[in-house]
Amino acid sequence: DAMVIQNPRYQVTQFGKPVTLSCSQTLNHNVMYWYQQKSSQAPKLLFHYYDKDFNNEADTPDNFQSRRPNTSFCFLDIRSPGLGDAAMYLCATSREGQGPYEQYFGPGTRLTVT
Amino acid sequence: KQEVTQIPAALSVPEGENLVLNCSFTDSAIYNLQWFRQDPGKGLTSLLLIQSSQREQTSGRLNASLDKSSGRSTLYIAASQPGDSATYLCAGSSNTGKLIFGQGTTLQVKP
Repeated sequence: DAMVIQNPRYQVTQFGKPVTLSCSQTLNHNVMYWYQQKSSQAPKLLFHYYDKDFNNEADTPDNFQSRRPNTSFCFLDIRSPGLGDAAMYLCATSREGQGPYEQYFGPGTRLTVT
Repeated sequence: KQEVTQIPAALSVPEGENLVLNCSFTDSAIYNLQWFRQDPGKGLTSLLLIQSSQREQTSGRLNASLDKSSGRSTLYIAASQPGDSATYLCAGSSNTGKLIFGQGTTLQVKP
């Protein structure tokens, strides 16, 4: 089945220790998104890739970076995690040009910062 | 700036009841409206997507409507079951595809 895969599902990191979260997709979608969702809050868009073009949200902290080496993979790098970065990180994809941007989400990575 | 609001924040109903979840948005230039389900600690599952040119979509026991002029969408769940217990999120998108989410409605269906 075509899908969005996130690894790991659970990640524990130490305060200030860089961490990378991974997302892959078999849908061949050209747009990939990263969202942050804190407990009992709505998902908040951090950035997205339209093909290779990176689009950062204005209020996304510089601590968050992203890489998309190819169509299938996208990475979220947190350079120096703080306690406030503990959250669920959701990856999503969509296909621009074929339909109305329906977004498909992965299962998420739960990040704990100790 | 698009803002999305969901009321109520939480809802508890007995099994078998029909129910309606509400979503309102401030910018009528919405491109589409998507409803998601989220189980505790899990990702988002897309339930229904309504394009701006449509008024409703149906999938099984779920029916979602969209009224752009009033800035409202509803998700109707027929004959609710305990397995429907989850948080339901609505999200509106602009023509760039960016989703703006509501805070969600947490539904509990009691056996």
